[in-house]
Amino acid sequence: DTAVSQTPKYLVTQMGNDKSIKCEQNLGHDTMYWYKQDSKKFLKIMFSYNNKELIINETVPNRFSPKSPDKAHLNLHINSLELGDSAVYFCASSQDGVSGYEQYFGPGTRLTVT
Amino acid sequence: GEDVEQSLFLSVREGDSSVINCTYTDSSSTYLYWYKQEPGAGLQLLTYIFSNMDMKQDQRLTVLLNKKDKHLSLRIADTQTGDSAIYFCAEIYSGYSTLTFGKGTMLLVSP
Repeated sequence: DTAVSQTPKYLVTQMGNDKSIKCEQNLGHDTMYWYKQDSKKFLKIMFSYNNKELIINETVPNRFSPKSPDKAHLNLHINSLELGDSAVYFCASSQDGVSGYEQYFGPGTRLTVT
Repeated sequence: GEDVEQSLFLSVREGDSSVINCTYTDSSSTYLYWYKQEPGAGLQLLTYIFSNMDMKQDQRLTVLLNKKDKHLSLRIADTQTGDSAIYFCAEIYSGYSTLTFGKGTMLLVSP
């Protein structure tokens, strides 16, 4: 029944490793997003996809590569992890990508880089 | 660029009303939102207001929008301990589809 799900919920890894976070939504939405929440709880958009196409890419290092195999999934792959990547990553989806009306968020993935 | 500001902390007693304030800079904001985040959880959309509205009421929640001052507030009536959480104000402005969040206001409700 979960509308937006993410796996894993927790991810602990060492610097330099490559990791992926998966996101799936069963709401039939066209637009999906990745947000990053830092240790001070500040939330910032990273990427936005509409119907599998990248529409927004904020100033995120190119070590971060989103992939959308279909419009229900938006995965986030991170290469060469750094300490500063430690954060909670939230996936979200919405029906109308233009107005962003009612974005639904996943439970978050807490990434810890040691 | 856009900017959304909130006070960081609010403490109230159970049964009182809570008012959480937010200011934003982008006059072309189309929708303004309030999200709630409980500890260790994701963000839950509480309510939203379209920029051509001044007020919206939804059960215990009242949203007030002052477009002239670019000020948004969320009033929670009869605040309960279960309302303790971080509340985020967010906006979307015309032509852009992603949310810009404030830094969040931590609401602590004491019995």
